[in-house]
Amino acid sequence: GAVVSQHPSWVICKSGTSVKIECRSLDFQATTMFWYRQFPKQSLMLMATSNEGSKATYEQGVEKDKFLINHASLTLSTLTVTSAHPEDSSFYICRDKGELEYEQYFGPGTRLTVT
Amino acid sequence: AQKVTQAQTEISVVEKEDVTLDCVYETRDTTYYLFWYKQPPSGELVFLIRRNSFDEQNEISGRYSWNFQKSTSSFNFTITASQVVDSAVYFCALSDGDGANNLFFGTGTRLTVIP
Repeated sequence: GAVVSQHPSWVICKSGTSVKIECRSLDFQATTMFWYRQFPKQSLMLMATSNEGSKATYEQGVEKDKFLINHASLTLSTLTVTSAHPEDSSFYICRDKGELEYEQYFGPGTRLTVT
Repeated sequence: AQKVTQAQTEISVVEKEDVTLDCVYETRDTTYYLFWYKQPPSGELVFLIRRNSFDEQNEISGRYSWNFQKSTSSFNFTITASQVVDSAVYFCALSDGDGANNLFFGTGTRLTVIP
């Protein structure tokens, strides 16, 4: 099955700065990737669907100008949290779609702490 | 609309006891997939099982077993002879069958196995 990596695995940044999180599909060309956010002791919430070569589709309530998604290649999608605030502190997880509709490959997650 | 309900927020059992985690889902799709994931403290999601809507056979994998009942829209997960390493948050999830491959998560059940 596909392997998905994320970098960094954890990051601490100061309020007001921007942070980029990378999601790579290591052995599969993923035209579609999904970004999730998980607050402590809560479930995973879909933030956006990232499509290679086109604009991402954001879920209701997710600010597209704050969470910039770029999917410039078939193996890399990036999520940039701009002007981060402490309330953006969360666990961010990506997932690639896989070749078959039931395939689900998650990255290991990135823990973001904004101070 | 798709919805997954995990009514049990937290469960504690003593080691070697059996425990069942409940999952109830809602969907209008006739084709869909159900999943269970384990999320240990490290945060990485561990895939446990996938079941499609046309396969109601129960499945057993070692100490794990799953009971899929379409009549009650339930997909319950049982761990027999629980171990301390089973302590984690368990998520039930539903994927629609329209090819979009969206994944809807329940709120999770935190299982604590007491030695």
